[in-house]
Amino acid sequence: KNEVEQSPQNLTAQEGEFITINCSYSVGISALHWLQQHPGGGIVSLFMLSSGKKKHGRLIATINIQEKHSSLHITASHPRDSAVYICVLARGNYQLIWGAGTKLIIKP
Amino acid sequence: EAGVAQSPRYKIIEKRQSVAFWCNPISGHATLYWYQQILGQGPKLLIQFQNNGVVDDSQLPKDRFSAERLKGVDSTLKIQPAKLEDSAVYLCASSLGVQPRTDTQYFGPGTRLTVL
Repeated sequence: KNEVEQSPQNLTAQEGEFITINCSYSVGISALHWLQQHPGGGIVSLFMLSSGKKKHGRLIATINIQEKHSSLHITASHPRDSAVYICVLARGNYQLIWGAGTKLIIKP
Repeated sequence: EAGVAQSPRYKIIEKRQSVAFWCNPISGHATLYWYQQILGQGPKLLIQFQNNGVVDDSQLPKDRFSAERLKGVDSTLKIQPAKLEDSAVYLCASSLGVQPRTDTQYFGPGTRLTVL
């Protein structure tokens, strides 16, 4: 069993829809990162969470440490949100465990 | 603030040739990462430096890959000799502190390597 699993693997939605991407994990962590990778390869760090909830613009990230689960929400989705969203677990001093990513396509 | 710089952006070589990639992290960033991203997959960490010391190179194929970070600033990643399966995007990232589990990583644009 993978230490981190993202769902769904692929998601296609219409512009304006509320989007939820999930990240479940099976190991103890000190933090969880959400990253965005646009077509063409650039990766941007969106959030770093160790508890609770963070919001930035239309993006909201939550984490439940007890349930070992994190979600990334996008409100009022837009075609420019189309990207791969990746959760990365941080463990110990140095270890980072990468999820496989969720490919999101927002259609106009 | 200038971002992470990488060069070249694209490289095409034949198998068994050698290739080198260069990364200039954000000024003052202590930690530098090299990742390999094969098409359709997530990035795989190859090597992680803190200043000029290696803290994790467990997934670096040491028979053909090497990396150095002289003076704790720029870094080079070399492949010698290249194989077809090395075709990938090689990403460099840096973070400010020495707590990579909680520091934000800043990524360069990547170098797309094609091995023919």
